[in-house]
Amino acid sequence: GESVGLHLPTLSVQEGDNSIINCAYSNSASDYFIWYKQESGKGPQFIIDIRSNMDKRQGQRVTVLLNKTVKHLSLQIAATQPGDSAVYFCAENINDYKLSFGAGTTVTVRA
Amino acid sequence: ETGVTQTPRHLVMGMTNKKSLKCEQHLGHNAMYWYKQSAKKPLELMFVYSLEERVENNSVPSRFSPECPNSSHLFLHLHTLQPEDSALYLCASSQDMELSGNTIYFGEGSWLTVV
Repeated sequence: GESVGLHLPTLSVQEGDNSIINCAYSNSASDYFIWYKQESGKGPQFIIDIRSNMDKRQGQRVTVLLNKTVKHLSLQIAATQPGDSAVYFCAENINDYKLSFGAGTTVTVRA
Repeated sequence: ETGVTQTPRHLVMGMTNKKSLKCEQHLGHNAMYWYKQSAKKPLELMFVYSLEERVENNSVPSRFSPECPNSSHLFLHLHTLQPEDSALYLCASSQDMELSGNTIYFGEGSWLTVV
């Protein structure tokens, strides 16, 4: 079946550096994508979303890039902070109400 | 604070017990969801309700029984569970079922351990 996947299960980044988390999806019909952050012991928290008619969207310290040609989604975090340590999930909207989630990338910020 | 509140946060139950998970959303949303999150696996959709009507049962065993008495409350009734049902159960809501542009907001989850 079609699914969303992440390139790397873990990412270690130095505090203050920029982080890039990647995600590959296979459903070319998906038109909406979301990034979530999940801290230990908590539920997933919405970070940023993007529709398929865009290729870039910026939030506060975060940018999502969408490359529909290669079905690739990325989340960039600027000036990574210790509070950014978490598991990051991408999700694609595969039909009306269904989101397909990746397995997650664990980001660890080194002081 | 996401506006979606789940209780209890932690639950340990025996395989013959009956328990319930509760979810309440304060966002005025019309759609509510139950997801299961197991270790090292992607989130799995279990049930979807829209305006108190169930619109999806994603091949979930009958030992899990959802209930949606109104658009702001959702329950998951648990009965004769198995140890492999131990997981984080996440409730979520969205403005409507049409998700394109409508974000799903999650609660903090209920950690369930079946012994």
